[in-house]
Amino acid sequence: AQSVSQHNHHVILSEAASLELGCNYSYGGTVNLFWYVQYPGQHLQLLLKYFSGDPLVKGIKGFEAEFIKSKFSFNLRKPSVQWSDTAEYFCAVNRPMNSGYSTLTFGKGTMLLVSP
Amino acid sequence: GAGVSQTPSNKVTEKGKYVELRCDPISGHTALYWYRQSLGQGPEFLIYFQGTGAADDSGLPNDRFFAVRPEGSVSTLKIQRTERGDSAVYLCASSRDRQETQYFGPGTRLLVL
Repeated sequence: AQSVSQHNHHVILSEAASLELGCNYSYGGTVNLFWYVQYPGQHLQLLLKYFSGDPLVKGIKGFEAEFIKSKFSFNLRKPSVQWSDTAEYFCAVNRPMNSGYSTLTFGKGTMLLVSP
Repeated sequence: GAGVSQTPSNKVTEKGKYVELRCDPISGHTALYWYRQSLGQGPEFLIYFQGTGAADDSGLPNDRFFAVRPEGSVSTLKIQRTERGDSAVYLCASSRDRQETQYFGPGTRLLVL
């Protein structure tokens, strides 16, 4: 079974600091990778996704993630965070199968708090 | 357009009672998913519908949990003889088909006393 590991459960940064959230997955074959974000009081939203092609993926709000196959990683980055980036971030993975894709497996999430 | 909606937003019940949670997916989305999110955890898959049929129910924890989608749109998650350990946020997501991005609803927060 596939699993997803997020390295940090809580991250506290000051505004303008750079952000990197770690994500590693266990499955050795072809995978699709996602980062979802949940702002306070809101539902989960897709931040970015990787299916194939350029391993550096750009998402909304200045976020990007890099897929490194040899490290089974899909780390999320942002060069300069804002107070409005305070949220919980979830890494997720699914696998292509004959009948479509497997279901999403999520990490436990990283709570990011950005202080103004 | 309208997103995924879930009702109720909060549900408090007593141990042993029966509850129903409703999900209204995005119009035209054929794939529908239920997840459960416990405190401090990421969402965990429960069941997936393609159209009216449950294509994968491997995530349902036991036979107290059941879900239906009779007309291929609205889905209801049913929990019998609720236990305190069932307390969690139940999330619904939909996608145009299984290959597409999943869009999540706001969830139903279930508290079993």
